[in-house]
This record gives sequence, C-alpha cells and structure tokens, in this order.
Amino acid sequence: KAGVTQTPRYLIKTRGQQVTLSCSPISGHRSVSWYQQTPGQGLQFLFEYFSETQRNKGNFPGRFSGRQFSNSRSEMNVSTLELGDSALYLCASSLSGQAYSPLHFGNGTRLTVT
Amino acid sequence: GIQVEQSPPDLILQEGANSTLRCNFSDSVNNLQWFHQNPWGQLINLFYIPSGTKQNGRLSATTVATERYSLLYISSSQTTDSGVYFCAGPNTGTASKLTFGTGTRLQVTL
Repeated sequence: KAGVTQTPRYLIKTRGQQVTLSCSPISGHRSVSWYQQTPGQGLQFLFEYFSETQRNKGNFPGRFSGRQFSNSRSEMNVSTLELGDSALYLCASSLSGQAYSPLHFGNGTRLTVT
Repeated sequence: GIQVEQSPPDLILQEGANSTLRCNFSDSVNNLQWFHQNPWGQLINLFYIPSGTKQNGRLSATTVATERYSLLYISSSQTTDSGVYFCAGPNTGTASKLTFGTGTRLQVTL
C-alpha cells in the first residue's frame, strides 16, 4: 500500500506570495492532519480534516487554511507569506483520526520564504 | 493542553549499545505514539502504545499510563537508528491533534 504522498518536496517563495501544498493520504484513510516543524517551535498541529470538514484547528493565523476533497486528498494554503513561515510542513493520515488510529506521515514539503 | 517532556535531549551511542529514552506527560493519555525522524526529515510511526509493552525487532516501548510516562528501548543500536525520536500524545482527547515532545536526538557511531 502506498504511503502518504506530499508534493512538492521543496519550495522557495518570496514574502507576500501565497503557496499551496498537496497531500495524498494512504488509501482508505479518511483523516488528514497537517503539522508545521521549525527548529524553534518544534512540531505544531495546524489542522485536521475528516470527510471534507475541518474537525480540529491549531493556534495559527487565518493565513493558514486547508481543505479536503471527496477522495480524501488534502491541500493547505498559506497566503501573504512571512519569513517565519519557513518550515517543514508535514501531512499525516489515519483511518479515522480517533483513538486507536496511529498517524502516518509523509516526507514533508520544505518551504523557504525569502 | 498536555505538556510533553522528553529526556535526554541528546544521546551519542557506539554501535551495538543499548539505550532508554523517556517521555513524561502532564496528564493521562490514551493515545501515546513514538516516532523516529530520519536525517531526511521523514517521520516514521514506531509504536502506538497507550499502555503496556510492545516490541518490534530491536525496539520496544512501555507506557505506564497511571504514572504518565513512556519508555522507548533501543537494543544493539545501529547507525541507521540515528535521528530524532519523538513521543506524542493527544490534545483535548482528539487522537489526530497530537502534542509532540521536543525530541531526543540520537547519534550512533561506528
């Protein structure tokens, strides 16, 4: 079974631009969550989608948004990029997002904002 | 939300040595997971272990939920074990909204 696939692997953007990252979950997994990893803040939860609905949200500004499609694929968007948005963005999928449902992560998208 | 503390922050081992990594939680958890992040950034799920003990090859994990800690044992370490080990627990009871510890950075040398 194929793992979680994230595209692109690397991105370089300029301050003020916007960016869209894509995530395809493991087949059959309906929950997709996103995390941001930086050296200073570590791994932080962004949001989780289940059946095309945002079910949970972390403490990030409204510039960070996401969506999920009927095939469970998910995208996250960051608008008006800031230097501090430079990070590794990780997508994870699980069967249901509930207890007894381990998370499986993709390889991540490394975003650099200049 | 819960707080997660990991120790030690850094660990250097010679190949073949054993080690124990610890994770403490500020509150009880019912969905504790251990992950390994390799040098290329990939985060791999090692164990889902809300309580008890599990083993997978040279790795094993034990969670004592009532005392709010979990241990990850690595035996006969290999250079491929290098990377950062994270434990994580659910925040507000939602399994997918994990709070991660700051990790233990392990370097295994020849």
